[in-house]
Amino acid sequence: ETGVTQTPRHLVMGMTNKKSLKCEQHLGHNAMYWYKQSAKKPLELMFVYSLEERVENNSVPSRFSPECPNSSHLFLHLHTLQPEDSALYLCASSQEPDYEQYFGPGTRLTVT
Amino acid sequence: AQSVSQHNHHVILSEAASLELGCNYSYGGTVNLFWYVQYPGQHLQLLLKYFSGDPLVKGIKGFEAEFIKSKFSFNLRKPSVQWSDTAEYFCAVNGNIPTFGRGTSLIVHP
Repeated sequence: ETGVTQTPRHLVMGMTNKKSLKCEQHLGHNAMYWYKQSAKKPLELMFVYSLEERVENNSVPSRFSPECPNSSHLFLHLHTLQPEDSALYLCASSQEPDYEQYFGPGTRLTVT
Repeated sequence: AQSVSQHNHHVILSEAASLELGCNYSYGGTVNLFWYVQYPGQHLQLLLKYFSGDPLVKGIKGFEAEFIKSKFSFNLRKPSVQWSDTAEYFCAVNGNIPTFGRGTSLIVHP
């Protein structure tokens, strides 16, 4: 498989659940990102990892917890989410942190 | 703080019309500039980029953008749009962190 893949594509979870989003990049890139895309809002950067180290945490609530075990994989662990967290969560990667990004298809998350 | 402003939120054109989408940013240092496009049902993908050199950059599908440093602008242009250009267009800036504009929805009528 090529490019950036994300699983699951759709997720419905209750406010007390714990779930994880997975992202994998097959491009040999050094940087990976999590974004939140909500209707009528700019793309919101959540986390940036470069060479598996977190370099940016954009004041994201602690109910979102990222994990980057290696340069190809990125996870977003979710727990006790709120309905306003419902959105499309996009993963991206780039060769270096300031280069162009390659995006995955996103995970559509609904919190009930 | 870094920010990106896209002035046109919705644009509707007929085929063969010319297109210009505005993008302004605020950041005091050196930036890399990007336009991304999201076609219906598809991933966000790169349309074009500017890092340095010639401020007029050409991208895929006949798009171009001009970086005007004095105006902090990076407007996207296409002389003649096609129905297949219907998509959401995002301007992005990377000075210290990547920052995206709100996006412009373009609808092209055949």
